[in-house]
Amino acid sequence: GQNIDQPTEMTATEGAIVQINCTYQTSGFNGLFWYQQHAGEAPTFLSYNVLDGLEEKGRFSSFLSRSKGYSYLLLKELQMKDSASYLCAVEDDYKLSFGAGTTVTVRA
Amino acid sequence: DSGVTQTPKHLITATGQRVTLRCSPRSGDLSVYWYQQSLDQGLQFLIQYYNGEERAKGNILERFSAQQFPDLHSELNLSSLELGDSALYFCASSVGDRANSNQPQHFGDGTRLSIL
Repeated sequence: GQNIDQPTEMTATEGAIVQINCTYQTSGFNGLFWYQQHAGEAPTFLSYNVLDGLEEKGRFSSFLSRSKGYSYLLLKELQMKDSASYLCAVEDDYKLSFGAGTTVTVRA
Repeated sequence: DSGVTQTPKHLITATGQRVTLRCSPRSGDLSVYWYQQSLDQGLQFLIQYYNGEERAKGNILERFSAQQFPDLHSELNLSSLELGDSALYFCASSVGDRANSNQPQHFGDGTRLSIL
């Protein structure tokens, strides 16, 4: 089966940096995705990693270590609008398996 | 706006009933995916269709079925509804049969199903 773990909640201050960790144990691996989801809304694509290393996209960066089954999403210069749930998802055999999500609350 | 259209946005029905949820993928996307999101289960993959053919199956109940039509829109049919089926149902689409950085899955706004 698939096991994807993320912290349930994190709180940070506006302008700060937050790192959301994701560990996974899956039967296969074809890539790891990060999605952002505001309450009651659709998930929106943030980043994708398939090779080890860091992918940077503006204020968001994502890191992957396949040997450790580990990824993190780094959010820099936090803004109030970044308050949302962040979902880690692993693709295996055409299927995306999602973690339960990490709710990030940004405080002024 | 992701370009993925789901109807209806809200659906309220009773136990034992049957409903159909509809999804139109983004223009040019051949894959359609269905997900269920409930408070205690998170986002769960149900089923994927690629160009009219079933490509992958997740934890989809036998009471649920889906299909993708020649115009690439998809329908998810839920029957013999139970209270536990209350959830947000999302449809997503992608260009190919496998998502990646250049062709990620794009999600619709979802259908909120409430079973009374």
